[in-house]
Amino acid sequence: QQPVQSPQAVILREGEDAVINCSSSKALYSVHWYRQKHGEAPVFLMILLKGGEQKGHDKISASFNEKKQQSSLYLTASQLSYSGTYFCGTDGYDMRFGAGTRLTVKP
Amino acid sequence: DGGITQSPKYLFRKEGQNVTLSCEQNLNHDAMYWYRQDPGQGLRLIYYSQIVNDFQKGDIAEGYSVSREKKESFPLTVTSAQKNPTAFYLCASSMGLEVQTQYFGPGTRLLVL
Repeated sequence: QQPVQSPQAVILREGEDAVINCSSSKALYSVHWYRQKHGEAPVFLMILLKGGEQKGHDKISASFNEKKQQSSLYLTASQLSYSGTYFCGTDGYDMRFGAGTRLTVKP
Repeated sequence: DGGITQSPKYLFRKEGQNVTLSCEQNLNHDAMYWYRQDPGQGLRLIYYSQIVNDFQKGDIAEGYSVSREKKESFPLTVTSAQKNPTAFYLCASSMGLEVQTQYFGPGTRLLVL
């Protein structure tokens, strides 16, 4: 039931782009994306609903392909502050999270 | 300010001891959750509660117990039956509808002496 994320880790230089993928074996109504800094709690980034449009905030955006049961998170022109572990979560009261993608942005 | 508080920040458990982690929210959320996170790992669901006096097991409920006597409180007890309790424990809440953002507390790090 846990969604699968890829890649497990990414190392970027400032200004580079990255894509993080999340796929599920079950039909999805929504996908949530969170970012966690080391030793801190996860922080909500965005939610994508079935039938909804691609979301975005600043240079972080995401898409949701309901038919393929997949979501992708796009980070463009990455900044040092983007470093952290990104998790996708799939809907329902008993939300399941992926194992996370560790993103490191270097100067 | 509205939010979720967890206490203590660090907790030490001796062999055979039960310990209770506190989680309180003043967001007026109906649903509350407990997750366990091991180093370098994702979040695994322990228990969740949609309403007061009701809760459901998650994927790794063995060795844990919860109660939900008040809307704002959802304490987690790590019992002596949990043989490997060392982890980072996160509490979260949401409005309770099926598609809702979860808001997380700062976490409690549990260590075994």
